[in-house]
Amino acid sequence: DAKTTQPTSMDCAEGRAANLPCNHSTISGNEYVYWYRQIHSQGPQYIIHGLKNNETNEMASLIITEDRKSSTLILPHATLRDTAVYYCIVRVGPLVQGAQKLVFGQGTRLTINP
Amino acid sequence: DAGVIQSPRHEVTEMGQEVTLRCKPISGHNSLFWYRQTMMRGLELLIYFNNNVPIDDSGMPEDRFSAKMPNASFSTLKIQPSEPRDSAVYFCASSPRQNNSPLHFGNGTRLTVT
Repeated sequence: DAKTTQPTSMDCAEGRAANLPCNHSTISGNEYVYWYRQIHSQGPQYIIHGLKNNETNEMASLIITEDRKSSTLILPHATLRDTAVYYCIVRVGPLVQGAQKLVFGQGTRLTINP
Repeated sequence: DAGVIQSPRHEVTEMGQEVTLRCKPISGHNSLFWYRQTMMRGLELLIYFNNNVPIDDSGMPEDRFSAKMPNASFSTLKIQPSEPRDSAVYFCASSPRQNNSPLHFGNGTRLTVT
């Protein structure tokens, strides 16, 4: 799986947009970008994923650059409950043997400040 | 849906004892994953199953670890004999085996081996 690079930590003010960057310069054409987060003492929680188009759901937006070498997760109006470790993961599409697995890196520790 | 259910929530045992961790995946999901999380190594994939068959067990640390999935609604991770370095939080996750479906994680079992 392609490796990802994320900042170790970030801070954001409550109510502001939190923009979390991720570099995945070695990503292959069939690899998807996934974002998960882990709130203290809980299991990782799925946020969003995409291949090459920008995606939006009720939790967040995912912006993928045209060359697909980087992406940004956007939490539009951060709240204190968004304080968590955010993981950016690239994952091979479903038609390849063993493609289902997710390999987690160290993630970004996001702190939302009041 | 109750989500992925893991038991016990906490386990404290003495070195040398056998430990069995249990997981009930979400009904209808046919992929199941076991992860381990420590401060030093982060989230590590131990093994995963598709349709009850182990697909990739390359993350299983050594012969003391074994995992089974006797049916679609139950899996176990066994450590025998346990050692202090096995202390960690063990997560189970499940997903439908189709079209980039995300993994759904349980809340984990915190294992302490003294």
